[in-house]
Order: sequence, then C-alpha cells, then structure tokens
Amino acid sequence: DQQVKQNSPSLSVQEGRISILNCDYTNSMFDYFLWYKKYPAEGPTFLISISSIKDKNEDGRFTVFLNKSAKHLSLHIVPSQPGDSAVYFCAASSNTGNQFYFGTGTSLTVIP
Amino acid sequence: DTGVSQDPRHKITKRGQNVTFRCDPISEHNRLYWYRQTLGQGPEFLTYFQNEAQLEKSRLLSDRFSAERPKGSFSTLEIQRTEQGDSAMYLCASSLDRGPLAEQFFGPGTRLTVL
Repeated sequence: DQQVKQNSPSLSVQEGRISILNCDYTNSMFDYFLWYKKYPAEGPTFLISISSIKDKNEDGRFTVFLNKSAKHLSLHIVPSQPGDSAVYFCAASSNTGNQFYFGTGTSLTVIP
Repeated sequence: DTGVSQDPRHKITKRGQNVTFRCDPISEHNRLYWYRQTLGQGPEFLTYFQNEAQLEKSRLLSDRFSAERPKGSFSTLEIQRTEQGDSAMYLCASSLDRGPLAEQFFGPGTRLTVL
C-alpha cells in the first residue's frame, strides 16, 4: 500500500515562475516530512524538511507547507530555475525515524 | 570524497545466483538505511541500522535478503537465489543520529540486473 502519494508524475514551469509540487499521505502516525531532489544517475539529495508541529518551513527559494488535517504537503520553489529540473520525492516518517516512506516522485522541468 | 560510497555500481547476474553489495557511509554517521528503487517508483525502505544493530526491517522483505553492519561502519546487503523481480537500484543512505529530520545522505546506488 502506497502511504505517500505524489499524484503528478511530471510538471513543467517557466523559468522565474513558481513551481508547486504536491504530496499526500495516509498514515496519521507520520510526524516528519522531507523533500529530496534527484538528478539522473545520482542518489537523492536532501532539500528541506518539516515536522508536524509546524505548518511552514522556508529555506531560501524553497518552502514546504504542511496541512496535517488534510494529510497534505506541498513544496514551493520561487523563482524556479533551470537547474531545479530534477525528480522530487517527498518522504514521511513516524517519530522514531527508523523507517521512511517515499512517494513515487514528480519530474520537474523548468523551461528557460 | 567523504560522501556515501557503494560498490559495485552495476551488477549483472543470472537468476539463482547470490549477490552482495557494500555500502560505506559517511564516517561519523551512525544511522544507515538500505532502499530499493525500481523504475517510476520512489525509494522503498528495506532495512535500518543504528550502529551495528539492525533495528528495523521491512515486513515486505523476503528472507532471501540479509543485511549486516558488523562494526557499525560499512554495511553489506546480500540477496540469495536472485530472481528477475530483484532487478532494481539498491540505495544506501546514512545520517547522524539527530532524529527523524536528520538529513540522509544517499550513495549513488548499485544497479542490479538479474537475467
């Protein structure tokens, strides 16, 4: 069963505009959420995280929003740059951090 | 290079053979995770070590899979009697023990092809 879902397999955005990537989860025990970015032939790299005690976390051009009641989180990238073109995964964990569940990923293309 | 390394990067084997992969985490990281990723999917959790102790193992993991981290440093993942369905990218990640939000650093992966 897919406990973390990314329903948009791909997204195209013009350079300079906002990219919004969405993620939904089903397990109410998840309290920690992370976003990773992956380039071809490389392992994922960490981008930003949020715990359930917050509803927003910001780091430069990247902001993650969490709506716990809707079991939904989103990653906003503003402004989008061509170098942001990659596959983005959201991941979730309970408070132990012993096991992480990843979504299927969204492939972002930023068009110059 | 002080990142996570994995060896080999590619492995082609025949069905029924055993394979072993190695992961060298970042030296001070005491958490180590193994994941499997197939085309179009996200990383799927396999197992987790804290130092040398294997604390979590996916209930979906076949008993043909075994992992070790004998001295709390490098780790090995062995697949016995490989099947074509085992073909995937096997990823290793490590992190400091700073809770669930600790950044996991991923290696480049080992791509397994079972013929």
